[in-house]
Amino acid sequence: QKEVEQNSGPLSVPEGAIASLNCTYSDRGSQSFFWYRQYSGKSPELIMSIYSNGDKEDGRFTAQLNKASQYVSLLIRDSQPSDSATYLCAVNGGNDYKLSFGAGTTVTVRA
Amino acid sequence: DAGITQSPRYKITETGRQVTLMCHQTWSHSYMFWYRQDLGHGLRLIYYSAAADITDKGEVPDGYVVSRSKTENFPLTLESATRSQTSVYFCASGVRTGTSEQYFGPGTRLTVT
Repeated sequence: QKEVEQNSGPLSVPEGAIASLNCTYSDRGSQSFFWYRQYSGKSPELIMSIYSNGDKEDGRFTAQLNKASQYVSLLIRDSQPSDSATYLCAVNGGNDYKLSFGAGTTVTVRA
Repeated sequence: DAGITQSPRYKITETGRQVTLMCHQTWSHSYMFWYRQDLGHGLRLIYYSAAADITDKGEVPDGYVVSRSKTENFPLTLESATRSQTSVYFCASGVRTGTSEQYFGPGTRLTVT
């Protein structure tokens, strides 16, 4: 069973601050890593994909991957109330197309 | 371009009844997936399909049946619904071209009474 663990939250941050979300995974052979955003009552939406060690930036979002430590993170800079959602970390082992999801971290951005 | 759609969006059924949840995608993605999402369990894979007429079990397949006669459709059938199958069901699709990105439909909220 491939395990994906996320910091449990909930995480409350003031507007304009940085929200930091963490995810660890157990399968050392994992190749692809994703962050999904899920608003309450809605479906998961892919917001970031990362495949190699280092940082990947997309607007206010930065994903960081460290395969040696089996760790992937998501930073949300200049957090806005619209960022309030549950963020799901997902990992693909590489041998098949299946994703293993973490339980999610709920972020609340307070004005 | 509708992308990926699910129907119905909400369904209430009785224990023991058969119910089918529909999933349709317009991207011609080869892979399709069915997940259920429950509080305390997160997203769990029920079944997936790599192509038409190719399906395989996921983490929680018991009580469910799938078929895929056409690339664009991937229906999920609960043969005899139980209260434990009350959940939100998501369909997803993707193309394995060096990545494993999956894109989700809007979901079906199923209540079994």
